[in-house]
Amino acid sequence: GNSVTQMEGPVTLSEEAFLTINCTYTATGYPSLFWYVQYPGEGLQLLLKATKADDKGSNKGFEATYRKETTSFHLEKGSVQVSDSAVYFCALSDPGGSGGGADGLTFGKGTHLIIQP
Amino acid sequence: KAGVTQTPRYLIKTRGQQVTLSCSPISGHRSVSWYQQTPGQGLQFLFEYFSETQRNKGNFPGRFSGRQFSNSRSEMNVSTLELGDSALYLCASSLFVAGGPETQYFGPGTRLLVL
Repeated sequence: GNSVTQMEGPVTLSEEAFLTINCTYTATGYPSLFWYVQYPGEGLQLLLKATKADDKGSNKGFEATYRKETTSFHLEKGSVQVSDSAVYFCALSDPGGSGGGADGLTFGKGTHLIIQP
Repeated sequence: KAGVTQTPRYLIKTRGQQVTLSCSPISGHRSVSWYQQTPGQGLQFLFEYFSETQRNKGNFPGRFSGRQFSNSRSEMNVSTLELGDSALYLCASSLFVAGGPETQYFGPGTRLLVL
């Protein structure tokens, strides 16, 4: 079946530091990949997505590149802010297999990011 | 365009009771999915509805059920509540894109506490 693996943290960084959150996946089909962010007490917000190999998703200074050869979709940001403190979820949608498309998103466990001033 | 809305936002029930949660999708979205989020199990897919039909279901017992109405609004029901059903229940809506990825947009969730 499908699965997503990401570091759970907490990951603690100082403001303006460089951020990388690793995400790797296994899928039976050819998935689309997503990063969602969850702020305290809220639902999930779509941060960025990529639908095919070598696609780069970007939003609000965050970037992630779909690497089929390494089955990875690592999230990066060049200079984090205190307001980026949240839980970040990597997810896949795999219309060709179980766990995606109409089967729903498969999520990683989430990475709790803490940015200190 | 208004986002996904869920009601109620918070709910307290006791074991053995049943509960119904409601979700209104983004206007024009015909697919609604439900997820359960707990600290131990993370985010798990419950089921997905499209045009009033359940297209798929996750690995949850039959106590969890849902339905979708002609206006795409959806409800999920949990009968005979157990302590382990305490969770944040998230609803997500998406456009139907034939053969393509369905980007899901989430509501704020309903936090259910079972005592």
